Amino acid sequence: SYELTQPPSVSVSPGQTARITCSGDELPRHYAYWYQQKPGQAPMVVIKKDSERPSGISERFSGSSSGTTATLTISGVQAEDEADYYCQSADRLDTYWVFGGGTKLTVL
Amino acid sequence: EVQLVQSGAEVKKPGESLKISCKASGYWFSTNWIGWVRQMPGKGLEWMGTIYPDDSDTRYSPSFQGQVTISVDKSISTAYLQWSSLKASDTATYYCARRIGPADPFDDWGQGTLVTVSS
Repeated sequence: SYELTQPPSVSVSPGQTARITCSGDELPRHYAYWYQQKPGQAPMVVIKKDSERPSGISERFSGSSSGTTATLTISGVQAEDEADYYCQSADRLDTYWVFGGGTKLTVL
Repeated sequence: EVQLVQSGAEVKKPGESLKISCKASGYWFSTNWIGWVRQMPGKGLEWMGTIYPDDSDTRYSPSFQGQVTISVDKSISTAYLQWSSLKASDTATYYCARRIGPADPFDDWGQGTLVTVSS
């Protein structure tokens, strides 16, 4: 079955830039989406269609995709950005959706 | 305002059946996909399946095919997730979420329903 691979954890100091990657063989053919989930809350989309930022999402969040890797970049990281981040995409035939395993962002 | 309101927490025994719900409001229910996502305690998100209410076209993750049933009642703008025989390993929080179109993410989420299965 199709899998998306993320690093389990990323740690950065406040004000630095955090980059979270998501690798998958079908990413050249399908969009990547990124969700933020804080403890006890439902997930929230922060990037759609590889790089689009939904209204209300801070400009510090950006996304890109190249080849088989999509990347979520958080510039000027703040304490409030500490959360789990998940990528999501589709399999080859766009029949099944898949989430990555999630990355815990720690703000030191 | 789009809202997805899920039914409350459940405590069940292994072997029991269960149907949880997700009531939608604030948009045209029939023409937006509704998906279900599992999150086991301390673990990540898992896509279970998605249904298109207008024609009940349903797609299941291979991991959940045959294990759960996803359905809708368009007359009350409600989606359902059901089990015929629960296992302890079904203990998790279940989220419903709305997807507007084929190139869209899950834009709106329910608050989650915690299902605990224990003897």
